[in-house]
Amino acid sequence: DSGVTQTPKHLITATGQRVTLRCSPRSGDLSVYWYQQSLDQGLQFLIQYYNGEERAKGNILERFSAQQFPDLHSELNLSSLELGDSALYFCASSVSGEGNEQFFGPGTRLTVL
Amino acid sequence: GENVEQHPSTLSVQEGDSAVIKCTYSDSASNYFPWYKQELGKRPQLIIDIRSNVGEKKDQRIAVTLNKTAKHFSLHITETQPEDSAVYFCAASMNSGYALNFGKGTSLLVTP
Repeated sequence: DSGVTQTPKHLITATGQRVTLRCSPRSGDLSVYWYQQSLDQGLQFLIQYYNGEERAKGNILERFSAQQFPDLHSELNLSSLELGDSALYFCASSVSGEGNEQFFGPGTRLTVL
Repeated sequence: GENVEQHPSTLSVQEGDSAVIKCTYSDSASNYFPWYKQELGKRPQLIIDIRSNVGEKKDQRIAVTLNKTAKHFSLHITETQPEDSAVYFCAASMNSGYALNFGKGTSLLVTP
């Protein structure tokens, strides 16, 4: 157990819908990262927050957004869902932004039908 | 942006043999290179990492080497065991503490 929690574990929804994925980082970790893992694209970085502020953006679609709250938990919002959004979404956290290891949560498996 | 290439995509070895997975990166500014192991349906777990000021690091049966000049790094697993079977990902970070750019992964199968 890495100490990073994610809910829900599984999510099944329909095209066009909107979902919210939640992540709680390890106690004391200020940075939260979101990654998408699909069979064809591998593990891809979406977005990073550090102490409530957006720090870096990767290949995140405009339909996706995220935020980090004062208690440091983070939410990833996916809207106007398409079949291709089906994937495993991982959250990771690290102590700070300074090259420390990232600990991954168990992931949320999203299936869009 | 950073591009990480990983080879081979699949690797099958016999128990007790060594396994080597190689990665190359494109951005000379990258300075942090972790390796993750992911078992089926589970989270990626860090198994070893190396920073650009070090050429080699070892932890029991696992070692990582880094050649900054050539921009490549490798994972070496000695005396492989069936429980080493998993997908291994290399990654590079362009700057300290920022996003990890992952390779496509290597599926390692260790047969008894």
